[in-house]
Amino acid sequence: AQTVTQSQPEMSVQEAETVTLSCTYDTSENNYYLFWYKQPPSRQMILVIRQEAYKQQNATENRFSVNFQKAAKSFSLKISDSQLGDTAMYFCAFMRRRTYKYIFGTGTRLKVLA
Amino acid sequence: GAVVSQHPSWVICKSGTSVKIECRSLDFQATTMFWYRQFPKQSLMLMATSNEGSKATYEQGVEKDKFLINHASLTLSTLTVTSAHPEDSSFYICSARDRLGSQVETQYFGPGTRLLVL
Repeated sequence: AQTVTQSQPEMSVQEAETVTLSCTYDTSENNYYLFWYKQPPSRQMILVIRQEAYKQQNATENRFSVNFQKAAKSFSLKISDSQLGDTAMYFCAFMRRRTYKYIFGTGTRLKVLA
Repeated sequence: GAVVSQHPSWVICKSGTSVKIECRSLDFQATTMFWYRQFPKQSLMLMATSNEGSKATYEQGVEKDKFLINHASLTLSTLTVTSAHPEDSSFYICSARDRLGSQVETQYFGPGTRLLVL
């Protein structure tokens, strides 16, 4: 069975600084997808970034980028130029190809400090 | 695009009554919708997968007679909590995937429904 681990329950970062959230997963599959979602205080889940396992190139979305290490089964999220609006719970999710079911990690609560 | 709505956003009910929560994909067709439950400060727990025109698939440990799911159209799935009890109080979130979109594996989430059973 697949598992997703987020080892940092809470983190904080100064505004405009860079922070990296870690995520590791365990799977014997070769074809899968990985996601980062953020859940702000409103509790609306918002897609931050996605990565297809067969793509070696790390995904990037504006200030958000990932470091995808397939062999190490690691999928960290880097937030550059942190903004107050980035304060949220961040969840890493794994999806085995064609199952469409997500397995979520336990989340990392990020607080951006002014 | 890819907006999912939920109704109601907030519901308080008495113990023993049933509550229905609606999940709608507003601008896309969703053959598959998912229902999650989230306890305070915890992660999302998948309850069931809802497929249009067929029976829902429930995760292990989820009572299908307690949490009735109906997915009657490509844009609407409903979750009915039957004979609700205080322990059913939680935050319920639905999600949907756009079967015709460029990223069929991506789930788009509704804003959630907070249920309080007295």
